[in-house]
Amino acid sequence: DSGVTQTPKHLITATGQRVTLRCSPRSGDLSVYWYQQSLDQGLQFLIQYYNGEERAKGNILERFSAQQFPDLHSELNLSSLELGDSALYFCASSVDGAGGQYEQYFGPGTRLTVT
Amino acid sequence: DQQVKQNSPSLSVQEGRISILNCDYTNSMFDYFLWYKKYPAEGPTFLISISSIKDKNEDGRFTVFLNKSAKHLSLHIVPSQPGDSAVYFCAASDIQGAQKLVFGQGTRLTINP
Repeated sequence: DSGVTQTPKHLITATGQRVTLRCSPRSGDLSVYWYQQSLDQGLQFLIQYYNGEERAKGNILERFSAQQFPDLHSELNLSSLELGDSALYFCASSVDGAGGQYEQYFGPGTRLTVT
Repeated sequence: DQQVKQNSPSLSVQEGRISILNCDYTNSMFDYFLWYKKYPAEGPTFLISISSIKDKNEDGRFTVFLNKSAKHLSLHIVPSQPGDSAVYFCAASDIQGAQKLVFGQGTRLTINP
């Protein structure tokens, strides 16, 4: 158990809909990262938040957005869903260099199926 | 442009022998490297990491070697156990810049009894 929690575990929805994925980081970690794993693209970085502020953006579509709340949990919002958005979405958290540690610890993921 | 490459999609090793997984990278800005293990329907599990100021890091049965001039790293697992069967991902990060992880495509390791 990494200490990172994600809900829901599975999500099935229709094209055009909007969903919200939730992540709670490990206790004490200020950084939250979101990654997408699809069959043909592997694990791809989407976005990073650090203590409530957006720090880095990767290959995140404009239909996707995220935020990190004062209690440090994060939500990833996916809208106008398309079939190609079906994937595993992982959240990770990190201390970002404290004590020389840069490892990211991953949650169990949310499997999104768009039909 | 794949900055981190794992050229072997799969590897089969006998129980008790050494497993060697390889990874190459192209971006010279990467200065921190990690290995993750992943089982189906689970998130990646952190195994071991190495900073670019080192060439070797060891943790129990796991050792990571870094060859900066060749932009190559490898993970050695000795001795291999059946529970090691999983997909292994190499990842790299530029810790002086954005600390996002760039992942390889993974190598499926199968340990045979």
